[in-house]
Amino acid sequence: LAKTTQPISMDSYEGQEVNITCSHNNIATNDYITWYQQFPSQGPRFIIQGYKTKVTNEVASLFIPADRKSSTLSLPRVSLSDTAVYYCLVGLIYGSSNTGKLIFGQGTTLQVKP
Amino acid sequence: DVKVTQSSRYLVKRTGEKVFLECVQDMDHENMFWYRQDPGLGLRLIYFSYDVKMKEKGDIPEGYSVSREKKERFSLILESASTNQTSMYLCASSEGHSPYEQYFGPGTRLTVT
Repeated sequence: LAKTTQPISMDSYEGQEVNITCSHNNIATNDYITWYQQFPSQGPRFIIQGYKTKVTNEVASLFIPADRKSSTLSLPRVSLSDTAVYYCLVGLIYGSSNTGKLIFGQGTTLQVKP
Repeated sequence: DVKVTQSSRYLVKRTGEKVFLECVQDMDHENMFWYRQDPGLGLRLIYFSYDVKMKEKGDIPEGYSVSREKKERFSLILESASTNQTSMYLCASSEGHSPYEQYFGPGTRLTVT
């Protein structure tokens, strides 16, 4: 099965841009990359997904290099409310994949300080 | 507003009991998922369903089964609960054309003693 590796924790200050990188060396050709946010005592919340290059939505950007062995979630101008655990996952829901269905990493705990 | 509800927030069962965890979504989503979340292991997919009465094994299906008789409801069944199934169980749903954009319920903390 695929394994994703993220930093265990990161600190930042309000107003800064935060970049969280996830390593997924054995990602399969058809796998997608998705990022979620989770607050304590809540289920995860979808942030963004991509397959290659760059994807941007109203809350974040996702950068995926050509070899797709890593991805970087970029959060512009974080606030205190962005303090949460961020999960990277890879996988393929429909069809078979050597990397498994959906593999969540262990998550990165982001602490935003005032 | 999108809503996924789970039948219980906390549940305590004894070893060997049959356990049902229920999940209901009100978004008419095709896909529904069951995960477990454990410290240090993150979330792991147990089973998912892409249509009524259709199911597929996730990455850790052993010891679990599922049932989806209606589109809005997805049940996780522990036929004979064991202590290593003590965990937080999370249900999610997503649209058929956007399977990775999942909406999660609040979770059920199951303790098997």
